[in-house]
Amino acid sequence: DVKVTQSSRYLVKRTGEKVFLECVQDMDHENMFWYRQDPGLGLRLIYFSYDVKMKEKGDIPEGYSVSREKKERFSLILESASTNQTSMYLCASTQGSSGNTIYFGEGSWLTVV
Amino acid sequence: QKEVEQNSGPLSVPEGAIASLNCTYSDRGSQSFFWYRQYSGKSPELIMFIYSNGDKEDGRFTAQLNKASQYVSLLIRDSQPSDSATYLCAVISPNDYKLSFGAGTTVTVRA
Repeated sequence: DVKVTQSSRYLVKRTGEKVFLECVQDMDHENMFWYRQDPGLGLRLIYFSYDVKMKEKGDIPEGYSVSREKKERFSLILESASTNQTSMYLCASTQGSSGNTIYFGEGSWLTVV
Repeated sequence: QKEVEQNSGPLSVPEGAIASLNCTYSDRGSQSFFWYRQYSGKSPELIMFIYSNGDKEDGRFTAQLNKASQYVSLLIRDSQPSDSATYLCAVISPNDYKLSFGAGTTVTVRA
């Protein structure tokens, strides 16, 4: 019954490392999103994609990039991890503008030391 | 101006009382509005969505939308300790399907 899968739940990386966070959805959704969540700040949108090979910057794209080579997979990349990127990262997917069909992954907890 | 703003918390209410949560949004063209509940360490889960002006009720939850005032609220009636969580307001942009969230309001229901 799993809809959105984030393969890495808990990661510890060193400053300067390249980090890949993978998200896969099995519902053939067009739209996929990456957020980070920090205490008191809610979910802040990093990047989103409304189609294969398409990407749009969210509110806080600096220090991140994304890749969407296949419809079901949306990857978040930290080119050179920094300690201020320690956070919980959430992936979500939806079809069109119908928010009632938004599904979230379980989250990836990243610690950069 | 942030796209979605919620009233600051935390909000503490006694069991059985009404909890009132407020949210404003900046894009006047927005059409779709959502309330999510998030327990600590868990992903958000959808409580309500509303598209039309007025009230929408689902069990103990009522969402209210006023597009002229760019305001959406959530009322939780007969609050239970299990309602203790962070509540997130979300809005979808009509132009690019961008889904934006407010910072959340943490609700604690006192037994």
